[in-house]
Amino acid sequence: SQTIHQWPATLVQPVGSPLSLECTVEGTSNPNLYWYRQAAGRGLQLLFYSIGIDQISSEVPQNLSASRPQDRQFILSSKKLLLSDSGFYLCASTEGTSGFPQKGEQFFGPGTRLTVL
Amino acid sequence: GENVEQHPSTLSVQEGDSAVIKCTYSDSASNYFPWYKQELGKRPQLIIDIRSNVGEKKDQRIAVTLNKTAKHFSLHITETQPEDSAVYFCAATFAGGTSYGKLTFGQGTILTVHP
Repeated sequence: SQTIHQWPATLVQPVGSPLSLECTVEGTSNPNLYWYRQAAGRGLQLLFYSIGIDQISSEVPQNLSASRPQDRQFILSSKKLLLSDSGFYLCASTEGTSGFPQKGEQFFGPGTRLTVL
Repeated sequence: GENVEQHPSTLSVQEGDSAVIKCTYSDSASNYFPWYKQELGKRPQLIIDIRSNVGEKKDQRIAVTLNKTAKHFSLHITETQPEDSAVYFCAATFAGGTSYGKLTFGQGTILTVHP
């Protein structure tokens, strides 16, 4: 089964500072990977998804970006953080075959809680 | 695109009672419907799912039903316990196609089970 790692677990950053969150996946190959953000007391907002190395799609226009330099590594970045970027960032993974998940089960990493002050 | 509506937004029950959470979806092509449980400060955990080729699935105290004609699906928890207290999310997707596994989530239901 898949194991998803995220770090850091918590982060406090000033407005205008850069951001880099990392996600790595074990136990599967060629996963589809996803970044979600969850504001306090709210639902899950899909930010980016990736079906392969260097193949990234954005769901919501914003000051965040994502990269996938390796098959099982997914990075979320920002050059300048805004107050509204605060939230719980979750990486998720689905087993895929050339980008088309056959089973559908999506599993989440432990998350990074980001506070922008 | 897909749209998922979830009700109720909050649900309070007494220990031992049953709890039912309902979701409706808009895209008739959706064929995979998972349910997640999220405890405070934790990640969402997949607790049960159902595919469009079945109408009901059970796993101990939890069950999910699907009505494709009406495009709605429901989570049923029997004999609720305080540890069932959490936020529950439903979701829908077309697994196997160019949706690339993207899940559309409902807004969540806060379930509180009182001892």
